[in-house]
Amino acid sequence: QVQLVVSGGGVVQPGRSLSLSCAVSGFTFSSYGMHWVRQAPGKGLEWVALISYDGGSEDYADYVKGRFTISRDNSKDTLYLQMNSLRAEDTAVYYCARRYCSGGGCYPDYWGQGTLVTVSS
Amino acid sequence: DIQMTQSPSSLSASVGDRVTIACRASQGISNYLAWYQQKPGKVPELLIYGASTLQSGVPSRFSGSGSGTHFTLTISSLQPEDVATYYCQKYDSAPHTFGQGTKLEIK
Repeated sequence: QVQLVVSGGGVVQPGRSLSLSCAVSGFTFSSYGMHWVRQAPGKGLEWVALISYDGGSEDYADYVKGRFTISRDNSKDTLYLQMNSLRAEDTAVYYCARRYCSGGGCYPDYWGQGTLVTVSS
Repeated sequence: DIQMTQSPSSLSASVGDRVTIACRASQGISNYLAWYQQKPGKVPELLIYGASTLQSGVPSRFSGSGSGTHFTLTISSLQPEDVATYYCQKYDSAPHTFGQGTKLEIK
């Protein structure tokens, strides 16, 4: 079955960096684009970034552009999010999600369990 | 960027009621809209994609409609297990913005 396991969260000081990983199984990772989505405590879902199946294209939300980098290693079936210059407002649970394409377009279908990133001094 | 606005922000209804949640896009997005259900403390789950296509395994009491800028999610007969927050998301192009969510409770 499809599984996405997110790791790497924790407490980090403002201005510092943190890297998240999303290890997948149960599907051919190299055939799918992947998203990162976050959710601040008690708040709604917020899209963060998207990477194509081969890593050839990336898109970012304005509020993370220039600070976060999405990447992937298809040989390891793993998605990454490098987060630099972290701010208090980046505090959230970070989810990875598979981008599935059908006749109805391409949308996130399966989501990982999420990992909490807390930015605090 | 296109903004996604859901209404209402919260909703209380009785078991068996018909419930409708609206999602409006600030510009047309054709039918590139998905709906997600997030139960308390859980991961979001895909309900509907393509504005009206039910994801496999989702109960048939859920339905979606709309195109362009106006979309709706309908639960035909509310069940206790439907207590959750519901989100719409555009996926025509980046940014893949979510609506702010609609929290559904049982009266």
